[in-house]
Formats: sequence, C-alpha cells, structure tokens
Amino acid sequence: SAVISQKPSRDICQRGTSLTIQCQVDSQVTMMFWYRQQPGQSLTLIATANQGSEATYESGFVIDKFPISRPNLTFSTLTVSNMSPEDSSIYLCSAGDSGETQYFGPGTRLLVL
Amino acid sequence: GENVEQHPSTLSVQEGDSAVIKCTYSDSASNYFPWYKQELGKRPQLIIDIRSNVGEKKDQRIAVTLNKTAKHFSLHITETQPEDSAVYFCAASVLSGGYNKLIFGAGTRLAVHP
Repeated sequence: SAVISQKPSRDICQRGTSLTIQCQVDSQVTMMFWYRQQPGQSLTLIATANQGSEATYESGFVIDKFPISRPNLTFSTLTVSNMSPEDSSIYLCSAGDSGETQYFGPGTRLLVL
Repeated sequence: GENVEQHPSTLSVQEGDSAVIKCTYSDSASNYFPWYKQELGKRPQLIIDIRSNVGEKKDQRIAVTLNKTAKHFSLHITETQPEDSAVYFCAASVLSGGYNKLIFGAGTRLAVHP
C-alpha cells in the first residue's frame, strides 16, 4: 500500500488568508483525491486531482475556493483560499491506482479564526 | 445522486461480543465496497474490502458480506476487543466522468467495553 504524508499537520489561520496543503506519496499513483472531514462527520470528496489536467470538483466545491495542483504522479496540493471560520475542518488526501482502493494521508487540521 | 446509508450510528458492545454494521447503496453499478477504521485523531485505515463477484470475505476476526440484489453489505467483527473501538466507515465505488470514486457512509462509532 502507498505511504502518504501531508504538510502541515495542523495550522491556525486568520480569516481572509489562504493555506496550501501538500500531499506526498511514496510511489507513483494514478489517482489522488482531496476530502474534507468536519469533526465527528464522514468524509466528503472535494475533488479529484488529475495529473496533467485540471482537477474535477464535486458539487458544492469550486476551483476559485479550492485550487488544486497535480504536477506529477506522486504529489498534489490543495489551497484553501480566502478562508472563513466555516473552513475549519480536517483536510485529507488519498491516493490509489484506480480510484477504488484508496489510502489516506494523516490529515491537516485547520482552524480559522 | 449516489448515496450510501450506514447503520447504526453508534454501537456499544461488551468485550468478546460480536458487532455488525450495515450499509446500503443506491448505484446498482457499484462493484467495490471498502471498510475503513478511523481511530480518534488518526487517518482512516482500510481494514477489508469486497468486490461484487464474491458474497463474503474474511480476515481473522473481521468479515464482510455483500448482497448485490438487495444492494447492501455488512461488516462483522467477532470476539471484539477494546482496541476495536473506533469509527467505522463503509464506502461504495461509483463511476463518474470515466474514473472511479468512493461515496462514504456517515460512519458508526463502535465502543467495546472491557
């Protein structure tokens, strides 16, 4: 199984600022995903990070708010833009070769004041 | 849209008892069903999965059963131990825009009491 790391592990940010979260996989993978998990809630898919093309966003998530990069097969970033307290959450990346079996990073805990 | 329902939301058992968590899915084309365990403050970890061409899969104390006709699948944990206490998520794969993605259930918080 792929080993996935994320940076930062946690951050406290001021409203109106932006934070970029990095996701690194120890091997090349076809698919990378970004999720949001509110405290005590399930995982909600934000977008699929496609290598070499624009990310595919789920309903309710837009590129201007959550720009994503996928420069190669082992790395992706998610930016949370113009943050508000409602963006406080855990952000998780996952990776896999088919979009079915997915392995998760440790998550980034974001608090927006 | 695609949906996965999971029950119960909380489950409390005595150590040594069995625990069963049930999920139903809406997309009849789904053919892959993983289960994740998430301990407090940790990442979701894949514990077992099943594909639609089999009806049951076991791995030591955990097993998953699938009924494609009824569109439901279940996680069974036998001889529960306190370290099984966690939140468990079921998921179903859906095909969208030419690639697979997972739709997650709401989660079940399992507490195993010594």
